[in-house]
Amino acid sequence: AQRVTQPEKLLSVFKGAPVELKCNYSYSGSPELFWYVQYSRQRLQLLLRHISRESIKGFTADLNKGETSFHLKKPFAQEEDSAMYYCALAKTSYDKVIFGPGTSLSVIP
Amino acid sequence: KAGVTQTPRYLIKTRGQQVTLSCSPISGHRSVSWYQQTPGQGLQFLFEYFSETQRNKGNFPGRFSGRQFSNSRSEMNVSTLELGDSALYLCASSPGDSPNEKLFFGSGTQLSVL
Repeated sequence: AQRVTQPEKLLSVFKGAPVELKCNYSYSGSPELFWYVQYSRQRLQLLLRHISRESIKGFTADLNKGETSFHLKKPFAQEEDSAMYYCALAKTSYDKVIFGPGTSLSVIP
Repeated sequence: KAGVTQTPRYLIKTRGQQVTLSCSPISGHRSVSWYQQTPGQGLQFLFEYFSETQRNKGNFPGRFSGRQFSNSRSEMNVSTLELGDSALYLCASSPGDSPNEKLFFGSGTQLSVL
């Protein structure tokens, strides 16, 4: 069965520093990959999809099929980036989305 | 457009009872997914409905069931509640035919089982 892991439960970085949120998945095919974010007192929302190749709020995610990773990166962290980040995967366009355990990012001013 | 609406926001039940949670998707969305969120297990997929049919199912016991109506509104039911069913239940709708194109989440129903 497919699985998503996020090795860091908590991550703290200083404002202006680069940030990388790690995500690894276990699935032998070519999955659809996503990053979802939940800001304080807000609903869980889509940050970006691998397939759309968009950069949202300065975040990008690189798919490495060899390492089965989909790490989320931003060159300069902002205080408003503090949130809970979830990596997610679906085997196909019509399959369920499964989520990783999440990483809580705290940006220190 | 109004967002995904879940009712009620909070529920307190006792073991052995049953409960029904409701979800109204964004207008025009036909796919509705349900998730259970707990501190220990995170977000666990329950099931997904599209055009009144269950299209995807997670690994939950048969006590957990759902349905979708012709107007895309969905309900989930948990029978014979156990203490471990205490969780935040999230509903999400998605535009188009794909259940994962973009999930729009509701605020959830917080269920406490005493």
